[in-house]
Amino acid sequence: GESVGLHLPTLSVQEGDNSIINCAYSNSASDYFIWYKQESGKGPQFIIDIRSNMDKRQGQRVTVLLNKTVKHLSLQIAATQPGDSAVYFCAENEDNAGNMLTFGGGTRLMVKP
Amino acid sequence: SQTIHQWPATLVQPVGSPLSLECTVEGTSNPNLYWYRQAAGRGLQLLFYSVGIGQISSEVPQNLSASRPQDRQFILSSKKLLLSDSGFYLCAWSKRVDNYGYTFGSGTRLTVV
Repeated sequence: GESVGLHLPTLSVQEGDNSIINCAYSNSASDYFIWYKQESGKGPQFIIDIRSNMDKRQGQRVTVLLNKTVKHLSLQIAATQPGDSAVYFCAENEDNAGNMLTFGGGTRLMVKP
Repeated sequence: SQTIHQWPATLVQPVGSPLSLECTVEGTSNPNLYWYRQAAGRGLQLLFYSVGIGQISSEVPQNLSASRPQDRQFILSSKKLLLSDSGFYLCAWSKRVDNYGYTFGSGTRLTVV
């Protein structure tokens, strides 16, 4: 379910390093997963998605890994830049559930120059 | 291409005053529409969703209501605002199919004083 009442955990990384943001999900019937990036004062923006028939998907500087065995999703950002500073949300969708996404609580990424 | 418009961007309202936030989608038909609220430094809380004109589902009992008078128009309202209604309100749309992500609007920052 949605973790709306919790303060966001924070990940602090040095500019140029790789970042890994993790997300655990509980619904074994979920078969579609998305990562969103939300900059301060803006709406969440789609970054990358992955379907359950895949373990890994790569985009530009981002990689999403899916481990269905332990119900774990991660977002890897290569060569993190100051512009990557934002809150990152994972979301999952259960097949045949009417396209209702369940969002994780979010992780704040802070990039140190 | 599809676009989502949400306004106003910021709003300061006194306690007890009414509220009306509007969201419209262009470039698609029969979208699913969603209203989310986000408290400062917190996650996304689903308030309402709609799968069609006049069809509103409420996720959280509260001081707010939603309406969908037209296919691509979604309105969030309140008759009398409370201090606790302050927050960042986000509208989103998705296609009415499984495994399709949401596209969020730019959000409305509401401060009730």
